[in-house]
Amino acid sequence: DQQVKQNSPSLSVQEGRISILNCDYTNSMFDYFLWYKKYPAEGPTFLISISSIKDKNEDGRFTVFLNKSAKHLSLHIVPSQPGDSAVYFCAASPAYVGTYKYIFGTGTRLKVLA
Amino acid sequence: GAVVSQHPSRVICKSGTSVKIECRSLDFQATTMFWYRQFPKQSLMLMATSNEGSKATYEQGVEKDKFLINHASLTLSTLTVTSAHPEDSSFYICSASGSGQAYFGPGTRLLVL
Repeated sequence: DQQVKQNSPSLSVQEGRISILNCDYTNSMFDYFLWYKKYPAEGPTFLISISSIKDKNEDGRFTVFLNKSAKHLSLHIVPSQPGDSAVYFCAASPAYVGTYKYIFGTGTRLKVLA
Repeated sequence: GAVVSQHPSRVICKSGTSVKIECRSLDFQATTMFWYRQFPKQSLMLMATSNEGSKATYEQGVEKDKFLINHASLTLSTLTVTSAHPEDSSFYICSASGSGQAYFGPGTRLLVL
């Protein structure tokens, strides 16, 4: 049973435009959400996170939105750059502090076209 | 940011042998480390939680006798794949918690022939 889902396995976006990656979760106990970027044969790299007490968190070109009632979060990348091409995983955790046990989504492969 | 290393980065072994993978937190102490595995084009699946000085906690469906985890110090956790079989071939990734987030290692590619 996949508790964290990324329904789009791939996404192509033109350089300079906005990339929107979506993630849905089913477990209402999840309280903390993260986005990771991953290149092949490498470990994930942390991008941005959000706790359930917020609905938006912004860091440079990256913004994460959380809709807790819909159990949905999204990552916006503006403007998209070719270097952003990678697989993006959303992850969820049942607590904000004290546990780093993450449940990962299936990933979305983003390709930014020059 | 914090650095987590894994060794080896790639290993090829014969079926039936055991393989040990090390995960080290290089610049911080990690009381808890996590082990994940990733099959091609699939998600990272949590295998177990490694606690320093105590037994690991395994996720449902993960055989604890096959995937031995030892967390002997605050900077080192090891995963031993015992009697490896071709279906154990995968990408194994560890993470260590510290400074408010989890930091991931670069992963170990295991190929069992």
